[in-house]
Amino acid sequence: DAKTTQPPSMDCAEGRAANLPCNHSTISGNEYVYWYRQIHSQGPQYIIHGLKNNETNEMASLIITEDRKSSTLILPHATLRDTAVYYCIVRLSDINTGTASKLTFGTGTRLQVTL
Amino acid sequence: DVKVTQSSRYLVKRTGEKVFLECVQDMDHENMFWYRQDPGLGLRLIYFSYDVKMKEKGDIPEGYSVSREKKERFSLILESASTNQTSMYLCASSFPTPGSTDTQYFGPGTRLTVL
Repeated sequence: DAKTTQPPSMDCAEGRAANLPCNHSTISGNEYVYWYRQIHSQGPQYIIHGLKNNETNEMASLIITEDRKSSTLILPHATLRDTAVYYCIVRLSDINTGTASKLTFGTGTRLQVTL
Repeated sequence: DVKVTQSSRYLVKRTGEKVFLECVQDMDHENMFWYRQDPGLGLRLIYFSYDVKMKEKGDIPEGYSVSREKKERFSLILESASTNQTSMYLCASSFPTPGSTDTQYFGPGTRLTVL
């Protein structure tokens, strides 16, 4: 899986949009961009994923650049409950259920939402 | 919503004890995974299963075994617990979608301490 680079930490005021960047310059054509987050002492929570097009769901939006070398996760109205470590991951689209399916988390971005 | 539950949030055991960690998912998912998460080491795959009674070793299977007798339940067994198995244990499940990659959903985690 391609390596990702994220800033170690970010702050965001409550109610404002949180924009979390991720660089994945070595991404290949069949790799998806995934975002998870982990609130302290809890299991990781799936947020969103995409291949080429921008994606939106009830939690967030994912903007992927045209060359696919970077992406941004947007939490449109951050709340205190969004304080967590956010992980950007790129994964093969192969649905082979071998070890290629494992998730590999990097160090992520620690987002602190403040009043 | 996908729900993955784990039998305990916190567990304290003594060296040499046999330890069972249970994971149950309610979405009829084919794949189930056991990871451990340690500071500075990220997420590491212990074992996974892509069908009932099927199992595959992950990256760090030594000292662990698994059991999947029913589709919804995946058990991790520490045959003889040791202090270096003190960790956060995370269970995940997924359903591979043809033409896409599989999204893994995690349980809340079990923090195991071996004394």
